[in-house]
Amino acid sequence: EPEVTQTPSHQVTQMGQEVILHCVPISNHLYFYWYRQILGQKVEFLVSFYNNEISEKSEIFDDQFSVERPDGSNFTLKIRSTKLEDSAMYFCASTGDQGYNSPLHFGNGTRLTVT
Amino acid sequence: SQQGEEDPQALSIQEGENATMNCSYKTSINNLQWYRQNSGRGLVHLILIRSNEREKHSGRLRVTLDTSKKSSSLLITASRAADTASYFCAFRGDYKLSFGAGTTVTVRA
Repeated sequence: EPEVTQTPSHQVTQMGQEVILHCVPISNHLYFYWYRQILGQKVEFLVSFYNNEISEKSEIFDDQFSVERPDGSNFTLKIRSTKLEDSAMYFCASTGDQGYNSPLHFGNGTRLTVT
Repeated sequence: SQQGEEDPQALSIQEGENATMNCSYKTSINNLQWYRQNSGRGLVHLILIRSNEREKHSGRLRVTLDTSKKSSSLLITASRAADTASYFCAFRGDYKLSFGAGTTVTVRA
């Protein structure tokens, strides 16, 4: 069964550094998402992406965050200047249609640790 | 915020028993979904119920939806040790899927 792949599984960075988290969504999917989960807490929506543009973003997704689909397969999340509070699990997800009645397929996440 | 609440926060049951968890949300929805998360892993979709449906079954899972009360429940029957995980409800309004706080279920052998 096709799956969403995220790399790296764990990223450690120093405060103020830029990080890029990588995702390869399921190949025929059209809608892409980033979520984050601070340890033991809620799964929080960050951004949704369709047709090469952001369709919705949350208050968390400020100017420090950006997303890109640089080619036909990758979907990246960039954090320009990391803060301690950015430490979390970041999950990429995709879905094939408009998503209203289709489930999201999640990757296994990237654990980001900011020191 | 469209995020919902789940209760209980944690549930410990004996293998073979049923587990029930509830979810409430605040705004109108297109559908409500339930996901499972094993420790340190991604979320796995379990079941989706549309806003015009009241009950849905999938194997040992039974989901109900009451849009008048803005609430849903997930029942896992005849639980197994492998059902130990966190369970999240998620509801779709427009583009995004918003998650509840989750219920951590521990099934004791």
